[in-house]
Formats: sequence, C-alpha cells, structure tokens
Amino acid sequence: ETGVTQTPRHLVMGMTNKKSLKCEQHLGHNAMYWYKQSAKKPLELMFVYSLEERVENNSVPSRFSPECPNSSHLFLHLHTLQPEDSALYLCASSRDRGFAGNTIYFGEGSWLTVV
Amino acid sequence: DAKTTQPPSMDCAEGRAANLPCNHSTISGNEYVYWYRQIHSQGPQYIIHGLKNNETNEMASLIITEDRKSSTLILPHATLRDTAVYYCIVSTTQGGSEKLVFGKGTKLTVNP
Repeated sequence: ETGVTQTPRHLVMGMTNKKSLKCEQHLGHNAMYWYKQSAKKPLELMFVYSLEERVENNSVPSRFSPECPNSSHLFLHLHTLQPEDSALYLCASSRDRGFAGNTIYFGEGSWLTVV
Repeated sequence: DAKTTQPPSMDCAEGRAANLPCNHSTISGNEYVYWYRQIHSQGPQYIIHGLKNNETNEMASLIITEDRKSSTLILPHATLRDTAVYYCIVSTTQGGSEKLVFGKGTKLTVNP
C-alpha cells in the first residue's frame, strides 16, 4: 500500500468509447503524475500537475485529457483511443515537483486494453 | 534518455545477497540516485535513494562510490519475492523541467 490508489485496475474499451481513469493520493502531496508503460518499453512521463496546475505535457495526443480537481485527485479522460494506446497507466505523487531528494510514489496502475 | 546504465539481467540464489550495479558517470553534484523496482503487473515500488553517503533502510542498502559515478543496490538476503525489474534512476533536466527518466532496468531473478 503506497497511499496512491488507482481505479479501475483493468479497463477494456472500444475505439469510440469515452472512459476515465481515476487516481487518489492520501499522502498530502502537492504534485501528481501520469505515466504510461507499453509492453517492453520504459515508463514514459505523460503529464505533471503541481498544486492542481498542469505544468508539463510531454507531447501527449489530445485523445488523452488529464484533470486535477484538487491536490488529492487526478483523472485521465480517454476518448477515441487507438489499439496502440493499450498499456499500463500509472499514477504517481510526490511532495513537490523538484527531485532534490524528493520521492515519487506510484499506484498499482490501470491496465487499459483498446479493442 | 536515461542517464544510467544497468545490466539487463542478473540471477541470485535465495538467501544470498543480491548486488545490483549501476553506472551514472554524468551525474551532477546535486543529483540524487534513486532505486525503484517493479514486480510484474504492478506499479514501481520505491526502494531507496541517496546523494553522496551510503544509505540503508529496511529494504536495502545503497553504496555510492566516492566519485559518485556508480552505485550498488544490495538486497542482503534475497527472497523469491524480490524477483523484479530494478531501476536505477538519476534525475535529468529536459525542456527546462527536472524529471525522473526510467531506463530498461535490471531483471533480477531469485532462484530457490
């Protein structure tokens, strides 16, 4: 138990569907992240939020839309995805954005399959 | 790109110490070394991090060389549950933002 909870753990969706991934952290952290892990590829940072403000978007297609309504919750809204978007989506949080000894804690991830 | 180099795989006997090496020859003076591990189908788990001094916690020990160009993660008594991919990470600056970039890691297999 890392204090970062992701739901659902598994999601299957069609290419025309709209779905959302949810993340909640119980650590009192100010920064939250979405990462993507495709099969046999390293983790890729998608989005960074600091104090509910999006501070980084790593050239992620617009079919992925993040939302951070407060510092404890982070959503990833999905629409018109492609089969190649099938992956493990990981949410993470940290006390601050900077990495001078700052530790990132990950959730268990949401396995997404696009059919 | 990741700033670290790790062997792709290692084996260790159960009950023995597992020593996982990592090279980070371009590390800057204020950059930390982090270790995470990922057990299949789960999110990465934080293990330990350090700057200059050796560090120890309930999970592992981290030995950093004096020149800080390499480090070793030590699992003192490996168990079958320690089988995982271990990532050694140094923060990097890309596009003006500091971030942790994961490489391919070392797949550690603990054998009975």
